[in-house]
Amino acid sequence: DIQMTQSPSSLSASVGDRVTITCQASQDISNYLNWYQQKPGKAPKLLIYDASNLETGVPSRFSGSGSGTDFTFTISSLQPEDIATYYCQQYDNLPIAFGQGTRLEIK
Amino acid sequence: QVQLVQSGAEVKKPGASVKVSCKASGYTFTGYYMHWVRQAPGQGLEWMGWINPNSGGTNYAQKFQGRVTMTRDTSISTAYMELSRLRSDDTAVYYCARRGITMVRGVPVIAFDIWGQGTMVTVSS
Repeated sequence: DIQMTQSPSSLSASVGDRVTITCQASQDISNYLNWYQQKPGKAPKLLIYDASNLETGVPSRFSGSGSGTDFTFTISSLQPEDIATYYCQQYDNLPIAFGQGTRLEIK
Repeated sequence: QVQLVQSGAEVKKPGASVKVSCKASGYTFTGYYMHWVRQAPGQGLEWMGWINPNSGGTNYAQKFQGRVTMTRDTSISTAYMELSRLRSDDTAVYYCARRGITMVRGVPVIAFDIWGQGTMVTVSS
């Protein structure tokens, strides 16, 4: 099974900061990686698919990059409503696997 | 609008079974695979498997093989996930999630674009 490792596990940043989260796969998954945002008590929301494609309706301050085993998720200018936990998810092979999550807080 | 509405919270005893429903509306139910994902309290997301609502075909994560059954009723656009022989570590929020139909470079993207609100299942004696 493919293992997904996110870092950091938690992160504190100020409004307006550039925030970066990384996700590493245990083997090459090409571009088969998505990113989700989950707010407390809510279902996850798809932000980025296929490593770098922005889902319709998602603000352009969110972006993703990478391929192979190393991926990056970036918020270019942190907004108060971005406080959430972020997950990466691979779909190169079954079973589908998620990273353990990165909790983002406002400093 | 496109939405998935799940059944309400359940409390079960160890060894019992639970069946969670997920009613789809606003789109063609048989046109999209439905996946199930669970989240234990304070933990991350865990994929359980999928069902093809058109054919009824399924694929389960090995961890749940033999304990999980995913079914559907196309007449009422509803998917079901039944988990048997419940244990305390099955306590979690269970989500249904629609897999979108986006293709990139000729490959289907397995991304979950619509999620149910979640169903809390508590297993306790």
